[in-house]
Amino acid sequence: DAEITQSPRHKITETGRQVTLACHQTWNHNNMFWYRQDLGHGLRLIHYSYGVQDTNKGEVSDGYSVSRSNTEDLPLTLESAASSQTSVYFCASSDGAGNTIYFGEGSWLTVV
Amino acid sequence: QKEVEQDPGPLSVPEGAIVSLNCTYSNSAFQYFMWYRQYSRKGPELLMYTYSSGNKEDGRFTAQVDKSSKYISLFIRDSQPSDSATYLCAMSGASGGGADGLTFGKGTHLIIQP
Repeated sequence: DAEITQSPRHKITETGRQVTLACHQTWNHNNMFWYRQDLGHGLRLIHYSYGVQDTNKGEVSDGYSVSRSNTEDLPLTLESAASSQTSVYFCASSDGAGNTIYFGEGSWLTVV
Repeated sequence: QKEVEQDPGPLSVPEGAIVSLNCTYSNSAFQYFMWYRQYSRKGPELLMYTYSSGNKEDGRFTAQVDKSSKYISLFIRDSQPSDSATYLCAMSGASGGGADGLTFGKGTHLIIQP
């Protein structure tokens, strides 16, 4: 079955370190998204991509970057991790035709 | 004013009751409306997807959209303990998530008491 997988599922890192969260989908979807979910804020869009070599900033993009070198993967990089980036991160994808947006299982990141 | 308002709950009801979950929104450009269910420490999963105004039914779940009032609802009939989860409303101005992905409510935590 097609799916969307995130790794690592749990990570603890130190302030100032670079961290990359991986997202891989096997639906061949063009659209991919990264959200963060925090208590009191709900899900907020960080970055999104409509296809290979396309990336766009979302609502809370400061301190994050993404790259799209192929259809399947959209890694999220925290250039210099900050304690404010402690959160749960969800990757999602859709085919852009009005159909379901699928979410991954989440990556729990703690910055100490 | 937030774009999407949703009561965080918790909402606790006895098993078998009809549950009503609601969201209000301010952006009149929203045309696609969704309800997601999220179990603890899991990703959101799509429950209902509706375009524009009207009702949509799927088993025990009914989604309603009233664009004139900027109000959407999710009804759960014959609620079960397995329905206990956080329910997120989401909306977009374009299909497939559109230019800015989805705009989510903060979620309502629902507890079904056996």
